[in-house]
Amino acid sequence: QKEVEQDPGPLSVPEGAIVSLNCTYSNSAFQYFMWYRQYSRKGPELLMYTYSSGNKEDGRFTAQVDKSSKYISLFIRDSQPSDSATYLCAMSVGLYSGGGADGLTFGKGTHLIIQP
Amino acid sequence: NAGVTQTPKFRVLKTGQSMTLLCAQDMNHEYMYWYRQDPGMGLRLIHYSVGEGTTAKGEVPDGYNVSRLKKQNFLLGLESAAPSQTSVYFCASLGGRAGANVLTFGAGSRLTVL
Repeated sequence: QKEVEQDPGPLSVPEGAIVSLNCTYSNSAFQYFMWYRQYSRKGPELLMYTYSSGNKEDGRFTAQVDKSSKYISLFIRDSQPSDSATYLCAMSVGLYSGGGADGLTFGKGTHLIIQP
Repeated sequence: NAGVTQTPKFRVLKTGQSMTLLCAQDMNHEYMYWYRQDPGMGLRLIHYSVGEGTTAKGEVPDGYNVSRLKKQNFLLGLESAAPSQTSVYFCASLGGRAGANVLTFGAGSRLTVL
């Protein structure tokens, strides 16, 4: 079983819809959770960051962590064509200080398409 | 404010050739990383460095070597390229912001090995 599971998509929704992107994980020690956005032919960029459980909102984006279910979500409200990208979840046990056991574990990414 | 810069952006090699990818960051970060990204495989860590003069193996280090002679530069070398090394390579550095350590990625280097 992979440590972090993420549906690769593609997920195609009409403009203005609410988008829900999700990751499940198996390591209950993960405490730091991130969402990276990657546009085509670009490097990933940090979109949202949360520590432990709960919700965090930033404009149209909401990150949610449910540690009891080992499940994290990213919600996008009023989705725009410019939101079309691949979204990667990432998580770590501690503050990321390198590779190996204390490193950052990425999901494979979900390809999102917002139709105008 | 360049962030992380990778060169070259594109390269085509023949099997057995060697090459070096250069990563430069201007944020004074200690930690730097090389990842490869392949369809269906996600990001996989090749090598990383926790400071000038240090390197360590990641998840998929075979066939690659790295050097961190200067704090701002992290080089990834392929001594004898193989078609299996056709991929997009990303360099990243680790920087702090309030309450978090986050990765800043370069734009990527697309390598094709024929």
